[in-house]
Amino acid sequence: EPEVTQTPSHQVTQMGQEVILRCVPISNHLYFYWYRQILGQKVEFLVSFYNNEISEKSEIFDDQFSVERPDGSNFTLKIRSTKLEDSAMYFCASSETNRGLNTEAFFGQGTRLTVV
Amino acid sequence: KNQVEQSPQSLIILEGKNCTLQCNYTVSPFSNLRWYKQDTGRGPVSLTIMTFSENTKSNGRYTATLDADTKQSSLHITASQLSDSASYICVVSARYGGATNKLIFGTGTLLAVQP
Repeated sequence: EPEVTQTPSHQVTQMGQEVILRCVPISNHLYFYWYRQILGQKVEFLVSFYNNEISEKSEIFDDQFSVERPDGSNFTLKIRSTKLEDSAMYFCASSETNRGLNTEAFFGQGTRLTVV
Repeated sequence: KNQVEQSPQSLIILEGKNCTLQCNYTVSPFSNLRWYKQDTGRGPVSLTIMTFSENTKSNGRYTATLDADTKQSSLHITASQLSDSASYICVVSARYGGATNKLIFGTGTLLAVQP
């Protein structure tokens, strides 16, 4: 069964460093998303991406964050100058479409980012 | 403000018993409501999706209901198994300019099934 894959599963980085979280969405999907979940809190929307551009972003997704689809398969989230409060589980998701009745989003297993 | 509230926060039941989880939302304009199961340290996995016109939907031992008038949903788990132990998250999708899939997550109900 096709699935969204994320690498690495766990990333430890020093405060102030840049990290890139990688995702391979399901191959025929066109819409891609990043969400994050701080430990003990709910999942929060960061950004959605379609046709090589951001379609929507939340207040969390400031200039520190950027997304890219560098080739036909990968979808990346870059966090510049990481802060302690960026420590969270980051989930990538993809969907076939974003309109209509059953726009199911499939989630990856997540990357646990720990900023020390 | 778009919000999704769930109750109870946590629940412990014995294996084989049934349980019902509740969700209230204030999301507008509403597109659809989903229930996800999230195992510890894993990504959410979809259980059901319901649109405005659907009142109930089943997926095996999981049955979700939706009352769009009162903006409430429930997830009923029948004959619980140890593997049902997880966080169950109510997620509402808001429609913006015709596009959906901005998902608004509830805080989840942590279910523990004991032998």
